[in-house]
Amino acid sequence: SYVLTQPPSVSVAPGQTARITCGGNNIGSKSVHWHQQKPGQAPVLVVYDDSDRPLGIPERFSGSNSGNTATLTISRVEAGDEAGYYCQVWDSSGDHPVFGGGTKLTVL
Amino acid sequence: QVQLVQSGGEVKKPGASVKVSCKASGYTFSKYGISWVRQAPGQGLEWMGWITSYNGNTNYAQKFQGRVTMSTDTSISTAYMEVKSLRSDDTANYYCARHQGDYGDYCFDYWGQGTLVTVSS
Repeated sequence: SYVLTQPPSVSVAPGQTARITCGGNNIGSKSVHWHQQKPGQAPVLVVYDDSDRPLGIPERFSGSNSGNTATLTISRVEAGDEAGYYCQVWDSSGDHPVFGGGTKLTVL
Repeated sequence: QVQLVQSGGEVKKPGASVKVSCKASGYTFSKYGISWVRQAPGQGLEWMGWITSYNGNTNYAQKFQGRVTMSTDTSISTAYMEVKSLRSDDTANYYCARHQGDYGDYCFDYWGQGTLVTVSS
C-alpha cells in the first residue's frame, strides 16, 4: 500500500514562511491534496490537485509537487494558521485515499 | 451551500453497534461519493471506506471489512455507516467527507462536523 510521510511538527515565527513536506514514492505522478485541521474542528481542504486553492482559502497557502516530495507552503504565517496539516492522495491500485500522518504547525 | 450534517455523539458499551448518519444538502447527492474517515484521540486521519451514492457500491479498508457497513438513502440525501462489535479502541471522531475531482484523483472538498463515538464499559 502507498505510504505518505510527513514530519510530525514544524515551528515558525509569525510573518515567516512555513513549509510542510509530504514524501511518497514518485508522488510527483499523483495529485496531492492538503487538509487543515484546527483543534476541535473538522478538517478543511486548503489545497487540491497539487497547487489549486478552494474558494475562500487565502493566497498565502500554496502547494508544489515533484519527484518524491510534495510541499505545502504557508506564507506570512499567522497565529490562526496553527493547526494539523494532512496530505492526501488517491491510491489507484486499491482505489482508496491515503493520508499522511499529519504535521502539527506551531506558530511561535 | 454544500453541507454535511452528522448525527450526534454516542456512548456505547463494548460489543455493541453504532450507526452514524450524514445528511447532505446544497448539491445533488447521487452525483458524489462519500468516504468515512475516523480520528482516534490525538491521532491522525484513518480512512474506513467509501460508498458511491448513486448505486451503493462500496470499498472498505481491509481493517474494517466484516465489521463496517456503509449505505445511503438517496430519497433523503443521507449516508450511513454502521460499526459492529465495538471495542474500546473504536473510540474516535467519525467524519463523512464528499469526494471531488476526477476518478482516481479524488480529494475531499467538504467534511461533516464529526460524530464522537465513545466505547466504554
